[in-house]
Amino acid sequence: KAGVTQTPRYLIKTRGQQVTLSCSPISGHRSVSWYQQTPGQGLQFLFEYFSETQRNKGNFPGRFSGRQFSNSRSEMNVSTLELGDSALYLCASSLGDREADTQYFGPGTRLTVL
Amino acid sequence: DAKTTQPPSMDCAEGRAANLPCNHSTISGNEYVYWYRQIHSQGPQYIIHGLKNNETNEMASLIITEDRKSSTLILPHATLRDTAVYYCIVRVLVRTDKLIFGTGTRLQVFP
Repeated sequence: KAGVTQTPRYLIKTRGQQVTLSCSPISGHRSVSWYQQTPGQGLQFLFEYFSETQRNKGNFPGRFSGRQFSNSRSEMNVSTLELGDSALYLCASSLGDREADTQYFGPGTRLTVL
Repeated sequence: DAKTTQPPSMDCAEGRAANLPCNHSTISGNEYVYWYRQIHSQGPQYIIHGLKNNETNEMASLIITEDRKSSTLILPHATLRDTAVYYCIVRVLVRTDKLIFGTGTRLQVFP
């Protein structure tokens, strides 16, 4: 079974621009979660989508948004990029509807904001 | 979610068992213990999880104390490829996915 895939793997943007990252979950998984990883803050939860609905949200400004499509693929968008948004963005998928569920992570998208 | 405490770093000789401890003294009865690892700049990799019984899979063993206030991840025969940051996470599973990562333990396996 194919794992979680993320595109693009690397991205360079300038301040003020916006960016869209994509995540394709493992087949059959309906939950997609997004995380940001920076050297200073570590791995932080952004939000989770399940069946096209945002089910949980972390403490990030409204510039960070996401959505999920009917095929469970998810995108996250960051508007008005700031230098501090440079990070590794990870998505993880899981079945999402049972106890002892396990999240499986993709390889991440490395975003650099200049 | 309960907070976890892990040593910042550990060393292990190749071929020996690596025992990674984790304290979670405020864990609740309905919280599971999960372990992930992250090899440099890759996505975290799921290792194992448990509630109160010891668990074993092809990657590792998880030993949870009887009072559930601490646990140990055991890699029985560490290899150089096991060099990574290991995260111990406790979380309630209420049909919502949210992992709270701490700073983890950086395990260095040396030849």
